[in-house]
Amino acid sequence: GENVEQHPSTLSVQEGDSAVIKCTYSDSASNYFPWYKQELGKRPQLIIDIRSNVGEKKDQRIAVTLNKTAKHFSLHITETQPEDSAVYFCASGFGNEKLTFGTGTRLTIIP
Amino acid sequence: DAGVTQSPTHLIKTRGQQVTLRCSPISGHKSVSWYQQVLGQGPQFIFQYYEKEERGRGNFPDRFSARQFPNYSSELNVNALLLGDSALYLCASSLVGGGNTEAFFGQGTRLTVV
Repeated sequence: GENVEQHPSTLSVQEGDSAVIKCTYSDSASNYFPWYKQELGKRPQLIIDIRSNVGEKKDQRIAVTLNKTAKHFSLHITETQPEDSAVYFCASGFGNEKLTFGTGTRLTIIP
Repeated sequence: DAGVTQSPTHLIKTRGQQVTLRCSPISGHKSVSWYQQVLGQGPQFIFQYYEKEERGRGNFPDRFSARQFPNYSSELNVNALLLGDSALYLCASSLVGGGNTEAFFGQGTRLTVV
C-alpha cells in the first residue's frame, strides 16, 4: 500500500520567516496531494491541494510543489504569522479516495 | 450550510464493549470516509462508502464495520473494544468518490476505552 513520509516532525520558525515541510510518497498511481492544518482539538482543515498534472500551486502565502518523478511534494509558507502555529499533515491518494497521511509536522511560530 | 457533523463528540467505553459512531455528510455529498487518528499521529483510513457501497477498506480488523444509509449518512461500528482503539474517529465527506474534490472533515468523535 501507499506509504507517505513527512519531515520534519517539529519545526520552529521566527515570525516573518518561511517554513518548508516535505513529503515523499510511494504509489506512483497517486494523483491527489492535499495538505491539512490541524489546530489542537480541532478537525483537519484543507489549506491547499495539488493534482498530479500540475507542478506548483500558490494561494497567497502558501504554495505547494510536486515532483512526480521523485515522488516528492512540499509545502511552503512565507511570511509566517503566529496563527500559522499548528500541526500540518500531507496526504496522498487517488482522487480523494483512501487518503494516506503523513505523520505530521508541529509548526511553531516564534514571535 | 451545515458542515460534516459527527455524534457523539466524546465517548467512554469499557474493553470488550461495542460502539457506534455516526456521521452526517454535507448536504449533496454522496461519499463518506472514516479515519482513525491516534494521538500524535496522522489520520489512518478505515473505510470509504459511495452511493451506499463500500469503495475501500484500510488495514483494520473485522471488528470494524460501517454502512451508509439512503440519506448518505453513515455509521461506524467497532466490536470487542480494545484499549488501542482509543482515538479520535474522523468522518470526511465529498461530492463524489474518487473525483478530484475536497474531502471535508467533521470535528470527530473522541473515543476512550478503559
